[in-house]
Amino acid sequence: DTEVTQTPKHLVMGMTNKKSLKCEQHMGHRAMYWYKQKAKKPPELMFVYSYEKLSINESVPSRFSPECPNSSLLNLHLHALQPEDSALYLCASSQSPDRAPLHFGNGTRLTVT
Amino acid sequence: QQQVKQSPQSLIVQKGGISIINCAYENTAFDYFPWYQQFPGKGPALLIAIRPDVSEKKEGRFTISFNKSAKQFSLHIMDSQPGDSATYFCAALLQTGANNLFFGTGTRLTVIP
Repeated sequence: DTEVTQTPKHLVMGMTNKKSLKCEQHMGHRAMYWYKQKAKKPPELMFVYSYEKLSINESVPSRFSPECPNSSLLNLHLHALQPEDSALYLCASSQSPDRAPLHFGNGTRLTVT
Repeated sequence: QQQVKQSPQSLIVQKGGISIINCAYENTAFDYFPWYQQFPGKGPALLIAIRPDVSEKKEGRFTISFNKSAKQFSLHIMDSQPGDSATYFCAALLQTGANNLFFGTGTRLTVIP
């Protein structure tokens, strides 16, 4: 089991739905990340939060909206997604923005119908 | 442009054999090189990592060899076991204010009994 917990594990949503992915870590880490992973591909960086502030947005479409309510929690709000957004969404954390390593959760398997 | 190149794409090894996965990079600003192991339906788990001032690091059956001048690094799995069957990703970290982890394309390892 990882120390980064993601919920839900699986999510099926329609293109008009609004849903949220949640990520939690209690390691005292101050950097948190969202990655997207398509089948048989490496993870791709979406967002980085450093000390609860968004520091990197890798040109992600606005239908993905990240939120960091506090240092332990990270959300990804989803709205008007497309079928091609179906993927494994991974959350990760690191002790600080400039210290490795990154620890990953087990992800949320998202299917957009 | 792929920042980290990884080979082979897939690898089949007999139980007890040595598995070798290779990676190469161009950006000399990378300063941390982790390997992640990913099982189906799970997130990437940190396996072993190395910094460029070290040429080799060993943890149990897993060894990273690092050649800074050639900008190459490799993972060696000694005495490979069926439980090692997974996808392995090399990665390189760029620490410029916020961690930015660049993944290789992955190697699917199958260890046959």
